[in-house]
Amino acid sequence: AQSVSQHNHHVILSEAASLELGCNYSYGGTVNLFWYVQYPGQHLQLLLKYFSGDPLVKGIKGFEAEFIKSKFSFNLRKPSVQWSDTAEYFCAVNANQAGTALIFGKGTTLSVSS
Amino acid sequence: GAVVSQHPSWVICKSGTSVKIECRSLDFQATTMFWYRQFPKQSLMLMATSNEGSKATYEQGVEKDKFLINHASLTLSTLTVTSAHPEDSSFYICSAIDQRVAYEQYFGPGTRLTVT
Repeated sequence: AQSVSQHNHHVILSEAASLELGCNYSYGGTVNLFWYVQYPGQHLQLLLKYFSGDPLVKGIKGFEAEFIKSKFSFNLRKPSVQWSDTAEYFCAVNANQAGTALIFGKGTTLSVSS
Repeated sequence: GAVVSQHPSWVICKSGTSVKIECRSLDFQATTMFWYRQFPKQSLMLMATSNEGSKATYEQGVEKDKFLINHASLTLSTLTVTSAHPEDSSFYICSAIDQRVAYEQYFGPGTRLTVT
């Protein structure tokens, strides 16, 4: 069955610390990969996406993610977090064909203290 | 960029009544829209895929007679929660695929449904 696993349920960091959130997927076939962020009380926003090409993708707000095909992973990273990064982060995947729905991981809550 | 709106953003209804939620793609055409449900502090669960001009495809465990989906035009899909019960209280989120960028979905802001 298709699934997305996010290893960290809740991550607590101090400002300026480095961040890495794990994401592994199980999907038969070529995939597209996404990271979304949901700030408290707000709707989902796309942080970054991978369709093909360079496996290291850069997104908004200084986030990046690396697709490692052999490990079925798409971990999210940020070298120095800010208090404003406090939010819920979701990894998602869909099949690399038009019109397919996203499968979401359970999400990781990031709390950044100032 | 592509914008998806939902209306209403928040609704309270009494048990046994029906509620309609609209999802609109404002600046693009969407042959496919999706409806997700998000419980507090949990992930998004796909409920159904809505295709313009045809019947929706429901995920396993989602009651099609309870959650009626209509995708009557290329810019509008509606979700009607019929005979709502308190356990239907949730955050309902739609997304739409821009035909020009087939792999990416654009999400609406969500609708908070509270059934009393």
